[in-house]
Amino acid sequence: DQQVKQNSPSLSVQEGRISILNCDYTNSMFDYFLWYKKYPAEGPTFLISISSIKDKNEDGRFTVFLNKSAKHLSLHIVPSQPGDSAVYFCAASENTDKLIFGTGTRLQVFP
Amino acid sequence: DTEVTQTPKHLVMGMTNKKSLKCEQHMGHRAMYWYKQKAKKPPELMFVYSYEKLSINESVPSRFSPECPNSSLLNLHLHALQPEDSALYLCASSHGPNQPQHFGDGTRLSIL
Repeated sequence: DQQVKQNSPSLSVQEGRISILNCDYTNSMFDYFLWYKKYPAEGPTFLISISSIKDKNEDGRFTVFLNKSAKHLSLHIVPSQPGDSAVYFCAASENTDKLIFGTGTRLQVFP
Repeated sequence: DTEVTQTPKHLVMGMTNKKSLKCEQHMGHRAMYWYKQKAKKPPELMFVYSYEKLSINESVPSRFSPECPNSSLLNLHLHALQPEDSALYLCASSHGPNQPQHFGDGTRLSIL
């Protein structure tokens, strides 16, 4: 039972354009959501988070949008840079220490 | 640079060996975590320590034994592992629920 899903296994975007990564969840009790970036041979790096009381959070080039009625969140990266090429995981929790991760989306940013 | 340090980076062991993975954080976090990640899969939670006490065990086999000697250190003792236990083992720490978890770079474990 995959409670957090990323339906696009890969995404290819040109440098300078916007990257949009999507994530869907099934558990309406989730109240905290995060995005992580992972390079090969490294651990996941925290990017940005959002509480369920908000619908948008922004940090530099990264913006996370939350649509609770649709149980959907997205990560926007603008402008995309080649260094953004990595695997991106969304994650969710129910006000506990347990994080549930999505399956990941591989982003490639080409020149 | 990661603020969560894991050693060793790579470990190869036989099924009868006993070894330990180590994790250290100096961010004053009260919670520490062990995750297992198989290739092309998301990280899966194994154990959570909160204030040095085991608070979550995700039905992990007893051949994995966690230990939290103090608020900065987390160990994972391994004994009689199976080939299917080969994976990347990640440690993380955080201030608690609804706070970001910060990960180390992991230990790549191979069971022969």
